[in-house]
Amino acid sequence: EPEVTQTPSHQVTQMGQEVILRCVPISNHLYFYWYRQILGQKVEFLVSFYNNEISEKSEIFDDQFSVERPDGSNFTLKIRSTKLEDSAMYFCASSEQASGGDTQYFGPGTRLTVL
Amino acid sequence: GQNIDQPTEMTATEGAIVQINCTYQTSGFNGLFWYQQHAGEAPTFLSYNVLDGLEEKGRFSSFLSRSKGYSYLLLKELQMKDSASYLCAVRNNAGNMLTFGGGTRLMVKP
Repeated sequence: EPEVTQTPSHQVTQMGQEVILRCVPISNHLYFYWYRQILGQKVEFLVSFYNNEISEKSEIFDDQFSVERPDGSNFTLKIRSTKLEDSAMYFCASSEQASGGDTQYFGPGTRLTVL
Repeated sequence: GQNIDQPTEMTATEGAIVQINCTYQTSGFNGLFWYQQHAGEAPTFLSYNVLDGLEEKGRFSSFLSRSKGYSYLLLKELQMKDSASYLCAVRNNAGNMLTFGGGTRLMVKP
């Protein structure tokens, strides 16, 4: 069964450093998403992406964040200057469509720790 | 704004039935999803409701009442492996963003 994959599984970085989290969505899916989950808290939407542009973003997704689809398979989330409060599990998800009953399938996540 | 409420924790016995409730107040509504999340893992899709009524999928069923802003997930014949968090998520009218509740941590005991 096709799966969303993410790398790395764990990332430790120093405050102020840039990080890039990588995702490979399911191959026939057209819509891509990033969510984050701070330890012990709810899953929070960051951004959705379709047709090489952001279609929706939350208040969390400020100028420190960016997303890119650099090639036909990868989808990346960049945090330019990490802060302590960016420590969280970051989940990538993808869906075939954006409406109806179309399901968002989640990857295994990248645990980001900012020191 | 979006507000989604679920109980924080529930405990049930192996073989029993448990119902996990979710209430929501949202600025729009375009479907409600239930996900299962084991500790340290990704959410995995369980069910979807957009019209009122019951959707059944094996041991799992989900119910929706749009007029009441209410859904529940019903788990039958509980197994130890069902111990996990169950997340209620609502998609609004505007787009495809999912807003999640805090999750209900279910502990299944022998």
